Amino acid sequence: GNSVTQMEGPVTLSEEAFLTINCTYTATGYPSLFWYVQYPGEGLQLLLKATKADDKGSNKGFEATYRKETTSFHLEKGSVQVSDSAVYFCALTEPTSGTYKYIFGTGTRLKVLA
Amino acid sequence: DSGVTQTPKHLITATGQRVTLRCSPRSGDLSVYWYQQSLDQGLQFLIQYYNGEERAKGNILERFSAQQFPDLHSELNLSSLELGDSALYFCASSVSSGGGYEQYFGPGTRLTVT
Repeated sequence: GNSVTQMEGPVTLSEEAFLTINCTYTATGYPSLFWYVQYPGEGLQLLLKATKADDKGSNKGFEATYRKETTSFHLEKGSVQVSDSAVYFCALTEPTSGTYKYIFGTGTRLKVLA
Repeated sequence: DSGVTQTPKHLITATGQRVTLRCSPRSGDLSVYWYQQSLDQGLQFLIQYYNGEERAKGNILERFSAQQFPDLHSELNLSSLELGDSALYFCASSVSSGGGYEQYFGPGTRLTVT
């Protein structure tokens, strides 16, 4: 079945460092891809998404490009801030029985130090 | 604030008991999803409802059941509780069950089974 693989965390960076969180996926069709973020004590919230190959999603300085040839959707940010400390989840939707099911990666914890 | 509400925020109960978690989706959203988040299992999809009908099932135990009511709120019933059921339970909603739609997550219910 379809799956999402994320890099293990935690990722610890200094403020203003460059961030990459790797995400690769396995899918039989053409899934939509998402990055969600979970701040401490809160639910997940959508960070960005891409619905077709070569689309670039971007929000709050984060971006990710849907790469079909490498089945990847890596999250990047040029300069992280302490407030970016959170858990980041890569996800895809796959069609199943007339609906779409979300499949989430295991999450990558990011710690940004001042 | 995502617009999705969940009650209660915290729940402490004993093994063998039964509990009901409640979720109200965002206004206008027809799809409701339930997830379980634990430290060792990550975010696990349990079940999805769309406009009152069950649409997809994930890793939901037979001791667990859910339903979506005509006013679109949903309840997740957990029975014969075990210590391993201790987790955060999230509800999410989306306007449709389509693949490109984002999910809006509630703040979660933290269940502790003692």
